[in-house]
Amino acid sequence: DGGITQSPKYLFRKEGQNVTLSCEQNLNHDAMYWYRQDPGQGLRLIYYSQIVNDFQKGDIAEGYSVSREKKESFPLTVTSAQKNPTAFYLCASSIDGALRPQHFGDGTRLSIL
Amino acid sequence: GQNIDQPTEMTATEGAIVQINCTYQTSGFNGLFWYQQHAGEAPTFLSYNVLDGLEEKGRFSSFLSRSKGYSYLLLKELQMKDSASYLCAPEYSSASKIIFGSGTRLSIRP
Repeated sequence: DGGITQSPKYLFRKEGQNVTLSCEQNLNHDAMYWYRQDPGQGLRLIYYSQIVNDFQKGDIAEGYSVSREKKESFPLTVTSAQKNPTAFYLCASSIDGALRPQHFGDGTRLSIL
Repeated sequence: GQNIDQPTEMTATEGAIVQINCTYQTSGFNGLFWYQQHAGEAPTFLSYNVLDGLEEKGRFSSFLSRSKGYSYLLLKELQMKDSASYLCAPEYSSASKIIFGSGTRLSIRP
């Protein structure tokens, strides 16, 4: 079945380390997104990509980086510059680049040791 | 900002009807999404309204009033599995993106 796969489901990071969250989709969607969700809050857009080899900053891009070398993959790196990285991270995709996420992955919960 | 306002928590009884309201700023507004999110899981798409009025989809219906900046999600014949957060997400053409509200956590009691 087509869908979005995020891995791992739970991730732990030590202070000062970079960590990369994986997101793969086999829906042949052009656009992919990364959101962050904190307890009791809505989703906030970190980065999005409307086409391969192109991506744009969202509302809270500081301390994060992404790449889009393949249509199927949109990994997110949480760098040491992100001061409060503990959150639930959701990857999403849509068939076009109208910034309307249609399908979400199951999420990765990142915690700091 | 787009100032999305929806209740933080609601409680309802199994088999009953519940209405979850959402207000938002109208400047640059294009359409409105509702998502359901169970705890620790990904949001799932419920509805998308562009025109004024009520759209029914099984037990769930969504209403939009563009001039009032108001929408609601109506859930009928509530089931225990409907216990989840419901996210209101208006779309703004001016910003070319959707903004998610904080969500309404709905608890269903037997």
